[in-house]
Amino acid sequence: GNSVTQMEGPVTLSEEAFLTINCTYTATGYPSLFWYVQYPGEGLQLLLKATKADDKGSNKGFEATYRKETTSFHLEKGSVQVSDSAVYFCALSGTYPAGNKLTFGGGTRVLVKP
Amino acid sequence: EPEVTQTPSHQVTQMGQEVILRCVPISNHLYFYWYRQILGQKVEFLVSFYNNEISEKSEIFDDQFSVERPDGSNFTLKIRSTKLEDSAMYFCASSETGGANTEAFFGQGTRLTVV
Repeated sequence: GNSVTQMEGPVTLSEEAFLTINCTYTATGYPSLFWYVQYPGEGLQLLLKATKADDKGSNKGFEATYRKETTSFHLEKGSVQVSDSAVYFCALSGTYPAGNKLTFGGGTRVLVKP
Repeated sequence: EPEVTQTPSHQVTQMGQEVILRCVPISNHLYFYWYRQILGQKVEFLVSFYNNEISEKSEIFDDQFSVERPDGSNFTLKIRSTKLEDSAMYFCASSETGGANTEAFFGQGTRLTVV
């Protein structure tokens, strides 16, 4: 079945540092890939997505590229801020007929210090 | 901005009791989901619901669980007889469509503690 593996945290960074969170997946077919973020006390919010190989999703300075050859979807940000402190979840969608079911990675807690 | 709301935010219940977790999805959405996250573990899919019936469920979603959309706005998850291992954060989500690239909007979660 589908599975997602992402690096364990916590990841502690200084402000303006470069952030990478690794995510690899196993899936049949051609899933869509997502990064969700959970800020303290809030629900999961979609950060970015990519729906096919070589697509790059981007939002709020974060980027991730759908790499089919390495089955990866690593999240990157060039210069983090304290407000980026959150838990980040990599996820993939099912494929037909279960297209709307998400499989999540374990989440990576990121703490950005001033 | 429309959002998914869940109540209560925290529920404590005794083992063997029934609990109902409530969710109000975004009003024009047609697909509804429950996920859960046991502390320190992954967010896991429980069930999806469309057109007033379950469209898919995981192996976790056994006979102790049920879902309902009683009045066209609320979407509930009932656990008939809670066990200690049901303690988790439960997330409700909704989406406009059911396609693989659809965005699911999540609520803030209900933390269920079974004692």
